Amino acid sequence: DGGITQSPKYLFRKEGQNVTLSCEQNLNHDAMYWYRQDPGQGLRLIYYSQIVNDFQKGDIAEGYSVSREKKESFPLTVTSAQKNPTAFYLCASSITYNTEAFFGQGTRLTVV
Amino acid sequence: DQQVKQNSPSLSVQEGRISILNCDYTNSMFDYFLWYKKYPAEGPTFLISISSIKDKNEDGRFTVFLNKSAKHLSLHIVPSQPGDSAVYFCAASAQDSGGSNYKLTFGKGTLLTVNP
Repeated sequence: DGGITQSPKYLFRKEGQNVTLSCEQNLNHDAMYWYRQDPGQGLRLIYYSQIVNDFQKGDIAEGYSVSREKKESFPLTVTSAQKNPTAFYLCASSITYNTEAFFGQGTRLTVV
Repeated sequence: DQQVKQNSPSLSVQEGRISILNCDYTNSMFDYFLWYKKYPAEGPTFLISISSIKDKNEDGRFTVFLNKSAKHLSLHIVPSQPGDSAVYFCAASAQDSGGSNYKLTFGKGTLLTVNP
């Protein structure tokens, strides 16, 4: 059955290490998004992509990087430059613009 | 600056009554609006949407109203049920500054509690 899958669900990282969060969708959606949720902050946009091999910075892109080599995959790398990486990360996809976005179940990243 | 604002962090209603969740926005270029429901440690689930060319959209117990002149939208849930207790996010879509891509911007959410 179709959906959007994030892995892993929980991730622990040592300070100074890069880590990559996986996001895969088999919905044939063009657009994909990465958000970060912190308590009391809602969902803040990190990066978004409308088509393969193209992506744009969102509102809080510093310390993050992405790639969109395949339509179904949009991995997010949290680099050591991200000052406060501990958060709940959510990936979403949509058919195109102005349609509902479907979310994965999220990845809880904790820096130890 | 926050372009999508949900000024009420929480709302408590009795089962069977109406829940009204509010959302204000500042960007007049937003042309599509959505409401999501979210439980802790899960991804948000889509509830209902509305295009800027409409002022009302209804789906079962959920109705969204859009007032473009006031840059305000609201979600009505009637009758409210205990299972509706969750965080509700308002979201809006518009072209980004480059003009060729669309951003989906979320508010901070409102925690709805429906008491039996």
